[in-house]
Amino acid sequence: EADIYQTPRYLVIGTGKKITLECSQTMGHDKMYWYQQDPGMELHLIHYSYGVNSTEKGDLSSESTVSRIRTEHFPLTLESARPSHTSQYLCASSAPGTINSPLHFGNGTRLTVT
Amino acid sequence: KQEVTQIPAALSVPEGENLVLNCSFTDSAIYNLQWFRQDPGKGLTSLLLIQSSQREQTSGRLNASLDKSSGRSTLYIAASQPGDSATYLCAVEGSNYQLIWGAGTKLIIKP
Repeated sequence: EADIYQTPRYLVIGTGKKITLECSQTMGHDKMYWYQQDPGMELHLIHYSYGVNSTEKGDLSSESTVSRIRTEHFPLTLESARPSHTSQYLCASSAPGTINSPLHFGNGTRLTVT
Repeated sequence: KQEVTQIPAALSVPEGENLVLNCSFTDSAIYNLQWFRQDPGKGLTSLLLIQSSQREQTSGRLNASLDKSSGRSTLYIAASQPGDSATYLCAVEGSNYQLIWGAGTKLIIKP
């Protein structure tokens, strides 16, 4: 049973619009991540956070921003959506402390930009 | 730069067969290797995590092995069932604490 929630589940939006993808977790995890995944392809890290007020850029971060004001909440914002942003966006979290903590994923947001 | 490869990209086998999925990586300096399952249109579910000091991990009908020196891991699924149909992804966690992902193997178990 998922304790990490993403909304919306599906989103179709026009080019140039500003959008925010929501991600919340109830497990008290310090580490949270945003990944982008195209069909049949590997996951690419967009942003990550190791705690409140801590955010870092991943490989594909240049066109998006994140915030981490509360432990449980890690929203991803695209300031100006483009068709190249069409993809699945996956949020994940893991327990605090050491490495070797498995990731927990939400069910994803499938974004289509027309 | 770490690269993770999963071969084959797709696999179809009859129900009941034992099968092996493969994952290879180029840099042996890893903290762990993780196997995940992804159902269509869903997020990922963690299956097994093998720490760098371990050789294998088992959970039910699943057994994952790790050979760091050769840069390989296998996921063994015993007595496959139609419910095992999914995409299986592996990922390695390296010295920068980031996961590097393979593209996955899409598994279909035929009833």
